[in-house]
Amino acid sequence: QSVLTQPPSVSGAPGQNVTISCTGSSSNIGAGYDVHWYQQFPGTAPKLLMFGNTKRSSGVPERFSGSKSGTSASLAITGLQTEDEADYYCRAYDNSLSGSLFGGGTKVTVL
Amino acid sequence: QIQLVQSGGEMKKPGASVKVSCKASGYNFHSYGINWVRQAPGQGLEWMGWITVSTGDTYYAQNFQGRFTMTTDTSTSTAYMELTSLTSNDTAVYYCARDADFDSWGQGTLVTVSS
Repeated sequence: QSVLTQPPSVSGAPGQNVTISCTGSSSNIGAGYDVHWYQQFPGTAPKLLMFGNTKRSSGVPERFSGSKSGTSASLAITGLQTEDEADYYCRAYDNSLSGSLFGGGTKVTVL
Repeated sequence: QIQLVQSGGEMKKPGASVKVSCKASGYNFHSYGINWVRQAPGQGLEWMGWITVSTGDTYYAQNFQGRFTMTTDTSTSTAYMELTSLTSNDTAVYYCARDADFDSWGQGTLVTVSS
């Protein structure tokens, strides 16, 4: 069954570094499809944060970075800030589903 | 600037249908596809399908095939989604999002299904 697995939550103090993992399989990330990341604040629409695995969307601070290796991808926040508290979702194309697949989402809490 | 503006919230009874619109502006509507994504209360994002505006080709997620239809009206730069045979499980915020990267999103439309 195709799924992208994310940790439900991560937390850190301001200034700390956090990483969100997104683990897939051979039908999605492992097949070479790009991973994208979205940021969502409560009550608002998601916003594109990262595209093409490593590229920041316009206006996204440099403290956000993306990486991909094998069947997994990661979003790193270097120097966590209070305004980064939000839900984050990864997404990739899945060839067994013939469509897009979202991870379950990760809530980032700034302590 | 690129904008996707969706129609207002809907309240429906079980078994009914709902149609949501997504009006695009700020770019060439004909040149980009539109995705539909939904989010149940307190849950994550679920991709529903994609329509290629230039050709009208549609791609539906398996969970929605048979009761979900996407269309576009290029004369008004508007995309539509219709979901039939609604149940309480379809209560969610429905979003449209532009193109393969989902680089711009509508504000969302809350559809509530309740008897």
